[in-house]
Amino acid sequence: AQSVTQLGSHVSVSEGALVLLRCNYSSSVPPYLFWYVQYPNQGLQLLLKYTTGATLVKGINGFEAEFKKSETSFHLTKPSAHMSDAAEYFCAVSDRDTGNQFYFGTGTSLTVIP
Amino acid sequence: EAGVTQSPTHLIKTRGQQVTLRCSPISGHTSVYWYQQALGLGLQFLLWYDEGEERNRGNFPPRFSGRQFPNYSSELNVNALELEDSALYLCASSLEWYEQYFGPGTRLTVT
Repeated sequence: AQSVTQLGSHVSVSEGALVLLRCNYSSSVPPYLFWYVQYPNQGLQLLLKYTTGATLVKGINGFEAEFKKSETSFHLTKPSAHMSDAAEYFCAVSDRDTGNQFYFGTGTSLTVIP
Repeated sequence: EAGVTQSPTHLIKTRGQQVTLRCSPISGHTSVYWYQQALGLGLQFLLWYDEGEERNRGNFPPRFSGRQFPNYSSELNVNALELEDSALYLCASSLEWYEQYFGPGTRLTVT
């Protein structure tokens, strides 16, 4: 079975500071990994994904994530936080063996302090 | 390009009633997924439809059901509503399975 753990349900950073949102997964097969962002009263927007190839993945809005198989992690980072980054972030894992089913973490709420 | 649309935006139902939620995928997308986002529980996978067929189902009781129409739009039906069914119901569509595009959701409140 697959699962995702997001450490820290709430993270606060100062504007301009590094953003680090943690995601660990468990999967019996090579995973496909995703980060989504959800702004208030909106659906989820794909930030970035890892399927195969380069383990450092760049996404939209300056975010990136690195797939570390040995640590079963897929942490999301951004060098400099902006006020507009305040949102809920979800990590997800999937593979074809699960019938296209995505397993989501419980989310991390990011607050950016001016 | 129009995104995934869902209707209604909000609705309030009474326990025991039935509800139907609707989703229109992005043009050209053949797969539709339904998720429940309940407070404190994150997103839980409900159903996956592709080419009109139910392909996979999450760990939900049979009173959660749905269908996909020939134009790939989809309905989610919930019978015998319970208080714990109160949640944001998200629909997503995809052409390639690994890239799901989400709609804004339908907020269901059961009283």
